[in-house]
This record gives sequence, C-alpha cells and structure tokens, in this order.
Amino acid sequence: TQLLEQSPQFLSIQEGENLTVYCNSSSVFSSLQWYRQEPGEGPVLLVTVVTGGEVKKLKRLTFQFGDARKDSSLHITAAQTGDTGLYLCAGGDPGNTGKLIFGQGTTLQVKP
Amino acid sequence: KAGVTQTPRYLIKTRGQQVTLSCSPISGHRSVSWYQQTPGQGLQFLFEYFSETQRNKGNFPGRFSGRQFSNSRSEMNVSTLELGDSALYLCASSLRQWGTGELFFGEGSRLTVL
Repeated sequence: TQLLEQSPQFLSIQEGENLTVYCNSSSVFSSLQWYRQEPGEGPVLLVTVVTGGEVKKLKRLTFQFGDARKDSSLHITAAQTGDTGLYLCAGGDPGNTGKLIFGQGTTLQVKP
Repeated sequence: KAGVTQTPRYLIKTRGQQVTLSCSPISGHRSVSWYQQTPGQGLQFLFEYFSETQRNKGNFPGRFSGRQFSNSRSEMNVSTLELGDSALYLCASSLRQWGTGELFFGEGSRLTVL
C-alpha cells in the first residue's frame, strides 16, 4: 500500500485541454512537493506546498494543498506537448524518519 | 553550477554479479539519497547519507549497500544481482540533512540484469 496515492496513473490528452492530477493520503504531511520527470532524466522539483489550503501557481500549473494537509492536486490549464512527463508528489515520512516518500506518479501524454 | 552526476548511465549485468554505482552531488551538498525506480513500484527509497554517515535506510535486502566519502561523493553497491534488480537507480543531493528539503536528482544509472 502506497502512503501517497496518485490518480490517475496514466493520462493522455490533446493539446489545449485542461487536466487535474491528485495526490491523496490518510496521513497528515507537514509539506508536499511536486516533481516532474521527463524521459531519460531525473525528477525536477516544481513546487513545495506547506500550509493547509495553500494555492501556488507556476504559469499554467496550479498546485493546491488540502486544508487537512492530507492531499494535494495539480491542475494544468491548456496543456502543451512540453508538459508531457511523469508527475510525482512527495512528502516527508509522517513517521518522522526523515525520508522523502514518493507517490507512484502520473504519466501525462499531451498529443499535438 | 554543475548538477548531480551519476556514472555509469547504462550497464548490463548477469545474475549473480555485483555492481557499483557512483554519484557526485552538487558542490556544497552534504546529503545524498538513493532511490530505485521501476515501472511497477515507482520511486523506492534506498538510503540517505549525510557527512559520511548513513542516516536512513529503506526496506531493501542487505545486498544493497552504500557509502559516502569525505568529499560527499557516494557509491551504492548491489551484490548477487537478481533479475528484479533491473531498474533506474537515482541519486539525489540536498542541502538539508532531513529529507523534506528540495532534492536535486541526477539522470540515473539504468541497470539491466540478464
């Protein structure tokens, strides 16, 4: 059982469409991070959300941290082919071991 | 500023062999973490080193080991390779010791076990 559950696992859409990716847990996290990984590369940090209810925007990407700090979402407006990649959410282990735990990831394919 | 460098990028081994992977962190970063990435399991935490000391270890068998040198470079070793060890091994460095800071990942070492 994954501590962080991401949905959907796979998403294939046309350029210009909107989409939302979810990251859910039954545990409370002090913060959550979102990474994007492109083929042949390592993950790159997009954003860190810290406060419950927090909303952060990065151009066409909107990140939200749930009020209870158990979930987060990533919304992409007017997706572009350059958004294609694996999106990963990650959070510090609620067991306070210091490990960073990753969700399974959402593979996004944006077709022209 | 140079990023995280992992070598080798690709390697093929046979069952029973052992392998050593190397990671050079970003200059000034003293924390190095290793992750195994597979399609089925996603990113699984292997271990974290800070100032030459292993601070955290994931749920992997003892065949997986690592170390960190005084210059913060790190190596991981997998002995008696199994088919299931085929994966992308990612190294990440961080300024912070505790694992909730930003991780800077290398491009990974892709291991294929035949």
